Amino acid sequence: KAGVTQTPRYLIKTRGQQVTLSCSPISGHRSVSWYQQTPGQGLQFLFEYFSETQRNKGNFPGRFSGRQFSNSRSEMNVSTLELGDSALYLCASSLNRQARERAFFGQGTRLTVV
Amino acid sequence: GNSVTQMEGPVTLSEEAFLTINCTYTATGYPSLFWYVQYPGEGLQLLLKATKADDKGSNKGFEATYRKETTSFHLEKGSVQVSDSAVYFCALSEDSGGSNYKLTFGKGTLLTVNP
Repeated sequence: KAGVTQTPRYLIKTRGQQVTLSCSPISGHRSVSWYQQTPGQGLQFLFEYFSETQRNKGNFPGRFSGRQFSNSRSEMNVSTLELGDSALYLCASSLNRQARERAFFGQGTRLTVV
Repeated sequence: GNSVTQMEGPVTLSEEAFLTINCTYTATGYPSLFWYVQYPGEGLQLLLKATKADDKGSNKGFEATYRKETTSFHLEKGSVQVSDSAVYFCALSEDSGGSNYKLTFGKGTLLTVNP
C-alpha cells in the first residue's frame, strides 16, 4: 500500500509569490490534514479536510488556504509569501475523524522563501 | 485549548542507556495520546499510542502509559540504540463530536545516542 505522497519535496520561492503544495493520501483515507513545522514554533495545525470540505482550521492568516478533491487528494496554497513562511509542510491522512485513529504522514515539502 | 508539554532536550545518551522523555498534557475531555518519531529528512511516523486511561502503548522496545491522574504519557525505553537517534513528539487528539479533529503536538525532543 503506497504511503502519503507529497510533491514537490523542495521548493524555493521569492517573497510575494504564491505556491501550491500537493498531497496524495493513502488509498481509502478520507481525512487529510496539513501541518507547518518550524524550528521556533514546532508543529502547528493548518487545516483539515474531509469529504472535500474544510472541517477544521488552525490559527493562520487567510493567505493559507487549501482544498480537497473527490479522490481525497489535497492541495494547499500560500499566497503573497513571506520570509516567515519558510518551513517544512507536512500532510497527514487518516481513515476517518476519530481521535484514536492514527495519522500517516508524508515526507513533507520543504519551502524556502527568499 | 489543548496543549502538550514535553522536555525539549536535547538528550544525549550512550548506547544501552535507559531513556525517559517526559510528556504532560492539558485537555478538556478524554484525549487519545501518541508518540511520533521523526528521523532526519523524513516525515513523522507513529511510534505508539494509547486511547484511554491506564492503557500502555508499546512498540520497538518503547513504552508509554496513559496516566489520567497525572495527565502524563512519558516515553521510556530500557536500552537505547544508535538507530533510535531522532526527534520524538508527544501528541494528543481529542474527540469533540467530530468537529475538532486534529493533533496537538509538543515541541519535540531531540535524542542522540552515541556508540
